[in-house]
Amino acid sequence: KAGVTQTPRYLIKTRGQQVTLSCSPISGHRSVSWYQQTPGQGLQFLFEYFSETQRNKGNFPGRFSGRQFSNSRSEMNVSTLELGDSALYLCASSLFSRGGTGELFFGEGSRLTVL
Amino acid sequence: AQSVTQLDSHVSVSEGTPVLLRCNYSSSYSPSLFWYVQHPNKGLQLLLKYTSAATLVKGINGFEAEFKKSETSFHLTKPSAHMSDAAEYFCVVSVLNDNTGKLIFGQGTTLQVKP
Repeated sequence: KAGVTQTPRYLIKTRGQQVTLSCSPISGHRSVSWYQQTPGQGLQFLFEYFSETQRNKGNFPGRFSGRQFSNSRSEMNVSTLELGDSALYLCASSLFSRGGTGELFFGEGSRLTVL
Repeated sequence: AQSVTQLDSHVSVSEGTPVLLRCNYSSSYSPSLFWYVQHPNKGLQLLLKYTSAATLVKGINGFEAEFKKSETSFHLTKPSAHMSDAAEYFCVVSVLNDNTGKLIFGQGTTLQVKP
């Protein structure tokens, strides 16, 4: 069974640009969550989608957005990039919404560098 | 409010000696607790989970954790460290009775294993 796939794995952008990251969950999983990981702030929850609906949202500005498609694949978008957006963005899929059993399956992440 | 505190940011042990990674939590509701491991440049992987069944939980790779409600702790242990255990470990709390249902991650503990 294929795991969670995130693309691209690495990318470099400049301030003011926008970026779109993609996540394909494990087959059959309908929940996709996104996390930002930085050395200073650790892992922070961005949002969760379940059956194409946003179920939860973390404390991030509106520049961070996401969506989920009917095949459960998800994308997140960051507009007007700032230096502080440099981070590893992790996607996790699960069978249940709202953390459920807490058993998340993570992808290897997309490492974004903003110059 | 729910929170989780990992008491050590860095732990160093010699190969073959016991591992102890400490985690305290705070929760207004009955929590579910988890330990995840992240190897360099990889996503997170679930090690074990506590969901109000047995207080001593066994996980993968010889790890186990004990839920102690009186001490609000969920420490992770392993009798004998292996070089492959070197990674970052996250203690996580999920509050299923909370409408947000978000997982709250600790700041992480880096485990170093010396030959």
